[in-house]
Amino acid sequence: SQQGEEDPQALSIQEGENATMNCSYKTSINNLQWYRQNSGRGLVHLILIRSNEREKHSGRLRVTLDTSKKSSSLLITASRAADTASYFCATAHTGANSKLTFGKGITLSVRP
Amino acid sequence: EAGVTQFPSHSVIEKGQTVTLRCDPISGHDNLYWYRRVMGKEIKFLLHFVKESKQDESGMPNNRFLAERTGGTYSTLKVQPAELEDSGVYFCASSQRPKGDRGGYTFGSGTRLTVV
Repeated sequence: SQQGEEDPQALSIQEGENATMNCSYKTSINNLQWYRQNSGRGLVHLILIRSNEREKHSGRLRVTLDTSKKSSSLLITASRAADTASYFCATAHTGANSKLTFGKGITLSVRP
Repeated sequence: EAGVTQFPSHSVIEKGQTVTLRCDPISGHDNLYWYRRVMGKEIKFLLHFVKESKQDESGMPNNRFLAERTGGTYSTLKVQPAELEDSGVYFCASSQRPKGDRGGYTFGSGTRLTVV
């Protein structure tokens, strides 16, 4: 079973609306990160939230973490057409290994 | 600061051939990772270098895959012989700290490998 699972798998909204994407995971984490991938490009790190944090902001991004429910949400406010991309959550586990575990991603389409 | 550079960006090879992918991490990043995304599936971890040492290679699918990081700078990932199921996008990433704990990972644009 996969660690990070995002929902919805696809989201289409109008420019100016807010987009909320969710991620659930199964095992204890050190931190949770959100990445964006534009078509044909690499993944770009958006924001990191540590396991002892509950909410973080960065510009139009707001991420929350609920470790009791093993879930996170990413909110993009006042979306723009340029926000159209795939979004991935990735978890860094507690323990010695340093790898990130990714979900399948959410495809966000922002209509102008 | 230059980002993580990967090449080639695309490679099409025949089954049974050999392909070598290269990754140049951000200068000073001791941690270097390889990931792979097979069509329609999640991005999966392959291995992690700290400097020139393999810290974790638990994600390497089989012994047809060989990764090296001589001198702790750039890394290569060789697939020999390539099979159809090796097709996908291979990402390299680097970070200052393990677990991306300071600013996450910086990813390259990936190498799209197609085995025909």
